[in-house]
Amino acid sequence: GAVVSQHPSWVICKSGTSVKIECRSLDFQATTMFWYRQFPKQSLMLMATSNEGSKATYEQGVEKDKFLINHASLTLSTLTVTSAHPEDSSFYICSASTEGAAKNIQYFGAGTRLSVL
Amino acid sequence: EDKVVQSPLSLVVHEGDTVTLNCSYEVTNFRSLLWYKQEKKAPTFLFMLTSSGIEKKSGRLSSILDKKELFSILNITATQTGDSAIYLCAVYGFGNEKLTFGTGTRLTIIP
Repeated sequence: GAVVSQHPSWVICKSGTSVKIECRSLDFQATTMFWYRQFPKQSLMLMATSNEGSKATYEQGVEKDKFLINHASLTLSTLTVTSAHPEDSSFYICSASTEGAAKNIQYFGAGTRLSVL
Repeated sequence: EDKVVQSPLSLVVHEGDTVTLNCSYEVTNFRSLLWYKQEKKAPTFLFMLTSSGIEKKSGRLSSILDKKELFSILNITATQTGDSAIYLCAVYGFGNEKLTFGTGTRLTIIP
């Protein structure tokens, strides 16, 4: 149980284009979803937290207009990188948690490697 | 600001050895500490610890928390090449609905 699917696993795009990344909880209802960014040999940096049906909460320094997050259902959240530039190239990874005793446990997707040319 | 420090940063051992990975933390209103294993992609959940002195065990892996000294250890006995990964420690604080991660320990098991 507790499977999170993230798609695509790898995307290459031209500078100035937008890229959408999907994160789905396959066998549980994700009341909260998280989006992280990971640079090589560094830890996971939280970008934003989203609760189903409400606006995402962004971490300091993360541009909300550039990284659009939508959490329209209890099983799906999307991250759209708008007008991507080479400096946005990174590994983006989502996680999901549910209510109850396991609320603190986040289950992670496999990540998306974004390369902006 | 919550802080998690893991040591060592990297570790190389031979198959069959036992390893101990360390995690120390500073967090406002500690709620829980989690260990994850990250191989090539997604971190996979290992343990969640909330109480001091109670060992959590899963096969060859075990972990324990010391809330007085603000640290946790992750032990792996009889290591195998499949244990090679980055092990991440993260903490939750009350009122702060997010995980703060350490930089991880890169463990390499040599056959």
